[in-house]
Parts: sequence; structure tokens; C-alpha cells
Amino acid sequence: EAGVTQFPSHSVIEKGQTVTLRCDPISGHDNLYWYRRVMGKEIKFLLHFVKESKQDESGMPNNRFLAERTGGTYSTLKVQPAELEDSGVYFCASSPLRRDRREKLFFGSGTQLSVL
Amino acid sequence: RKEVEQDPGPFNVPEGATVAFNCTYSNSASQSFFWYRQDCRKEPKLLMSVYSSGNEDGRFTAQLNRASQYISLLIRDSKLSDSATYLCVVNLYGQNFVFGPGTRLSVLP
Repeated sequence: EAGVTQFPSHSVIEKGQTVTLRCDPISGHDNLYWYRRVMGKEIKFLLHFVKESKQDESGMPNNRFLAERTGGTYSTLKVQPAELEDSGVYFCASSPLRRDRREKLFFGSGTQLSVL
Repeated sequence: RKEVEQDPGPFNVPEGATVAFNCTYSNSASQSFFWYRQDCRKEPKLLMSVYSSGNEDGRFTAQLNRASQYISLLIRDSKLSDSATYLCVVNLYGQNFVFGPGTRLSVLP
């Protein structure tokens, strides 16, 4: 069974450009999370989808970040325009919906974003 | 105060040593607890869930003290391959997972 896949693995862009990150969760996982790790800091929550709906987007840093999950399958995270402080590793994670709501997260290998 | 705090580390230990990681969390309503490990430039991977009664998986033992809001991970007979960053993760059902800053472990030959 395929795990969580993310694309691209690395992206180097200039300040002011746009970048779109993609995440394909494990098939059948309704929960999809985006996290970010900025160098030297802990992994921080960005947002959480349940199927196609945004359950919690309290971690999104500002309106330059836009996440979508059309059809409840894969998700994209767009940064427009990118700023220097957006550099970091963006992780996607998924988990199945459970009746008891006990979840375990499975992570993708991340996208290393460098904004120059 | 951070939601999840861990020993700052790094820990440098010889092979075969026993090493303990400590974690505290601030939200008393938290319901699920985990230890993840993250190798350099890799994604976090689930090491083990932490249950109220404590649980063991081979050389790894996890403990939870809800009254003190404290979680621990003990690694016995450490191996070179145990070198990684250990992340304490806390969750409230249906809500996002909160990560601690991690403690880096280096097991030395």
C-alpha cells in the first residue's frame, strides 16, 4: 500500500513567486494535515481537512497560504507570494477517521521549500 | 509556556546505555500521546503510542502520568541506529496533533 506522498521533494523559488505543494494521502484516509518545520523550530500545525472540508485552519500563518482538497482526495498548499520566512519543510500527514476518534498520523517525506 | 516541552538535549550516549526522554504537556484535556522519531532530513515516524498503564515494545518503554501531565520514553541497550530526534506528540481527539521541539539522541560506538 502506498504511503503519503508529497511533491515536489524540494522547491527553490525567489521571493514573490508562487509555489504549489501537493500531498496524496494514504487511500481511504479522510483526515489530512499540513505541518511545517522552520529551521531550528518545532513542527507546527497549519491546517486539518476532514475529507474536503477544512476542520481547523488556525495554524495558517497568513492569507498568502491557501490550501485545498477538492473531492476529498489529494490536497494542495499554495504560497503566493512567497516570502523568505516561508522557507522550511512542509509535511503532510494523513489518518483514517475512526469512530473512537483515536488517530495515528502517517507522514509524507515532506517538501523542502527554500525562498531566496 | 509551550504546549509540549521536552528535554533540550542533545543526548550523547555510548552503545548499550539506557537513556530516558522526558516530556510535559500543558493541556490537561489531552487524550492521545505518542513518541515519534525523526531521522535527519526525514519525516517523523511513529515509534509508539503511550497508554495510561504504560507500555513496552522491545527495548522501548513509554510511561504516562496524567496527574503530572508527564510522558517519558526509556530506551534500553541503545543501538547506533537509535540515533535520531525523538518527538513527543499530544492530541485531543478530533483536533490537531501538537509536537514538542524534540530531543536529539546520538548513540556513539
